[in-house]
Amino acid sequence: EAQVTQNPRYLITVTGKKLTVTCSQNMNHEYMSWYRQDPGLGLRQIYYSMNVEVTDKGDVPEGYKVSRKEKRNFPLILESPSPNQTSLYFCASSLAPVRPSGANVLTFGAGSRLTVL
Amino acid sequence: DAKTTQPTSMDCAEGRAANLPCNHSTISGNEYVYWYRQIHSQGPQYIIHGLKNNETNEMASLIITEDRKSSTLILPHATLRDTAVYYCIVRVARGYQKVTFGTGTKLQVIP
Repeated sequence: EAQVTQNPRYLITVTGKKLTVTCSQNMNHEYMSWYRQDPGLGLRQIYYSMNVEVTDKGDVPEGYKVSRKEKRNFPLILESPSPNQTSLYFCASSLAPVRPSGANVLTFGAGSRLTVL
Repeated sequence: DAKTTQPTSMDCAEGRAANLPCNHSTISGNEYVYWYRQIHSQGPQYIIHGLKNNETNEMASLIITEDRKSSTLILPHATLRDTAVYYCIVRVARGYQKVTFGTGTKLQVIP
């Protein structure tokens, strides 16, 4: 089944304890991205990646790191989590078609709910 | 900066058509309009997309104005399961860019 898998789905941690949220897709997608969702603020993009070793900042990158060493994986790293990073996180991926067809539909993971105390 | 604006919330009677508007007045010629929906706190799911022609699939219809500055998603016969937050985004075909979702429209389908 074509899917984007995020782990962990739920995590409670403490301020300053480094953590990584993993994201893996099995669709050979070039484009991958991370979003956070907070009440009243909708989905905001944290980072995105166009391909292996190519990443760029989204709208809210502060406090986060990412890496893209393999095409299928795009982990989100919180080096020193703080309470304002308590949120629901989504990973998403899509193709980047050679011909402009518009069919680069984003496929989302199920989400990871992170609480930083 | 949000590229799209949508009403915060809408109600629709079950069985009636739900018409959800989206304004994208700064859309570029090579940007498509995509619609997604999010049920509860699940990952958003793709509904439909279009460039300038009206589109229809098994889930919905998309009407894009001639000047492409706005669009309307139509759910022809809304059911309770269509209660969700609906997001309208614009995106270039190759997808190598930031993607801004905004806050979407909360659609409540009423029995």
